[in-house]
Amino acid sequence: DIQMTQSPSSLSASVGDRVTITCRASQSISSYLNWYQQKPGKAPKLLIYAASSLQSGVPSRFSGSGSGTDFTLTISTLQPEDFATYYCQQSYSIPRTFGQGTKVEIK
Amino acid sequence: QVQLQESGPGLVKPSETLSLTCTVSGGSISFFYWSWIRQPPETGLEWIGYISDSGSTDYNPSLKSRVTISVDTSKNLFSLKLRSVTAADTAVYYCARSTTGGATMDYWGQGSLVTVSS
Repeated sequence: DIQMTQSPSSLSASVGDRVTITCRASQSISSYLNWYQQKPGKAPKLLIYAASSLQSGVPSRFSGSGSGTDFTLTISTLQPEDFATYYCQQSYSIPRTFGQGTKVEIK
Repeated sequence: QVQLQESGPGLVKPSETLSLTCTVSGGSISFFYWSWIRQPPETGLEWIGYISDSGSTDYNPSLKSRVTISVDTSKNLFSLKLRSVTAADTAVYYCARSTTGGATMDYWGQGSLVTVSS
């Protein structure tokens, strides 16, 4: 299985901050990387697919980059509704695997 | 707008079979792939497997011996069966619409909590 490791596991930030979350794959996955946002008690929501493509309806302050083994999710200007847990997921091979999550909390 | 809704028992006894159904509305089940994902309490996400509209499947090897996913295109639904459950199978189970091979999950159900306990 491909292991996905996110860092940090949690972070505290203020509204208006720029936030960057990193995801590393245990082997190269080209650009087969998705990002999801999950709020408490809710299902995950697709934000970014294929490493850098913004899902329809997702605000443009979210962006993704990277290829191979190293990827980043950036929130350019953190909004109150962005406080949530973020997961990366590789779609390169079976089984699909997720990172352990990064919780973005209010400072 | 596609909507997915999980349904099934919220409590299953150890060694028995967990059965969940996902009903798809607002769109056809045809031409897409359909996945199950679970999330144990206070833990991350685990991909269980997918099925295509034609019935081809693939499963997480860690669960493969106990899992069956099936589809009923006439009723626009798909289902999950997980046999011989233990407390470790307690989780919120999500169904989701997926791209080819279950690669990317773009629409999700709200989730169904299943507790394994006697």
